[in-house]
Amino acid sequence: SAVISQKPSRDICQRGTSLTIQCQVDSQVTMMFWYRQQPGQSLTLIATANQGSEATYESGFVIDKFPISRPNLTFSTLTVSNMSPEDSSIYLCSAGGQGTTGELFFGEGSRLTVL
Amino acid sequence: GNSVTQMEGPVTLSEEAFLTINCTYTATGYPSLFWYVQYPGEGLQLLLKATKADDKGSNKGFEATYRKETTSFHLEKGSVQVSDSAVYFCALAHSSASKIIFGSGTRLSIRP
Repeated sequence: SAVISQKPSRDICQRGTSLTIQCQVDSQVTMMFWYRQQPGQSLTLIATANQGSEATYESGFVIDKFPISRPNLTFSTLTVSNMSPEDSSIYLCSAGGQGTTGELFFGEGSRLTVL
Repeated sequence: GNSVTQMEGPVTLSEEAFLTINCTYTATGYPSLFWYVQYPGEGLQLLLKATKADDKGSNKGFEATYRKETTSFHLEKGSVQVSDSAVYFCALAHSSASKIIFGSGTRLSIRP
């Protein structure tokens, strides 16, 4: 298994600002992903964080709005840029890969509220 | 494309009742199937999984059987407890290095 730490755990942000969420895994993992969970909704995949290269974004998500870094196998960041109230959500980092049978481990999430 | 459809909630049951939450999937090949649980105020946790047809995943009294013929992975528990109140997500993945696709989630409330 993997233990995933995210910070901040929650934040209140002003419209038009940007916030970077950090994700640290306690072991080397193959895959890291960023999901969004809007209030009362399911999880939507934003992107796959690729180590040493550009992230792979899902339909509806773009790099300019959600830039992602993954400098090594245990760390990734997600930035939510130029925030609007519609970006209020829980952002979840997840990790998995070799040695598993496909399951992912999740951090506790970062709850963002944009005013 | 791949997708997961699960029973809409909320579901409210009395303690010790039998639980079924339906889940069906659409996918090519042989995906791995999962149930995740999100307790109030907590992160998402893997509850159980099955990686091939006819496998039964089980944990904490919950069970689900991978049925390829009906493309289903229904979650069951014989006697629910108040502590089982949570949101349950059915999910699938195509390989050990693949993204996971989640269903819409089912909120379960158990009354004493």
